[in-house]
Amino acid sequence: SFELAQPPSVSVSPGQTASIACSGDNLEKKYVSWYQQRAGQSPLLLIYQDNKRPSGIPERFSGSNSGNTATLTISGTQAMDEADYYCQAWDSSTGVIFGGGSKLTVL
Amino acid sequence: EVQLLESGGGLVQPGGSLRLSCTISGFNFSDFAMNWVRQAPGKGLEWVSGISGSGRSTSYADSVKGRFSISRDNSRNTLNLQMNSLRAEDTAVYYCAKDRQIAVAGTSAIDFWGQGTLVTVSS
Repeated sequence: SFELAQPPSVSVSPGQTASIACSGDNLEKKYVSWYQQRAGQSPLLLIYQDNKRPSGIPERFSGSNSGNTATLTISGTQAMDEADYYCQAWDSSTGVIFGGGSKLTVL
Repeated sequence: EVQLLESGGGLVQPGGSLRLSCTISGFNFSDFAMNWVRQAPGKGLEWVSGISGSGRSTSYADSVKGRFSISRDNSRNTLNLQMNSLRAEDTAVYYCAKDRQIAVAGTSAIDFWGQGTLVTVSS
């Protein structure tokens, strides 16, 4: 079955750029979405189809997908960005797949 | 405004059954696929099941295949999840989740989530 791997934790200083990776076999052949989940809240869609932002999502959130790795980039990271981040893709055999999640800490 | 309101969660014994429902408002329900996604306490997101806008196509995670059944009533704007033969490992918050597409497929992404309903499987 298809799997997505994420680092369990990522740290960043306020105002700096955070990058969260999501890896999977030949992932560039699939569309990747990214979600933010703050403590005690439901997830929020940040990025879909690799690099598209839904209405209302700030431009500092961006996505890319190449080779075996998709990346969520957060520019000018703020304290409010501290949350869990999940990547997601779809596979014809497995269905919808989520990565294990990455906890972003803004130090 | 899109609203997804889950109901039906609670405490159930191992081997028991439970039916979750989700009432939808704020968009044309039949134009979009719907999903159930769960999150065990302190764990990550796990997709459970999806259904196309028409209801004709369904899909399940291997972990629930043969035990859970997803359905929808487009006339009543309602999504359901029938859960049978429940196990301790099914304990989780279950989210009703709207897909951006009419079918759960390659371009699927979940653009709206409910608040979730807690299912606890324990004796």
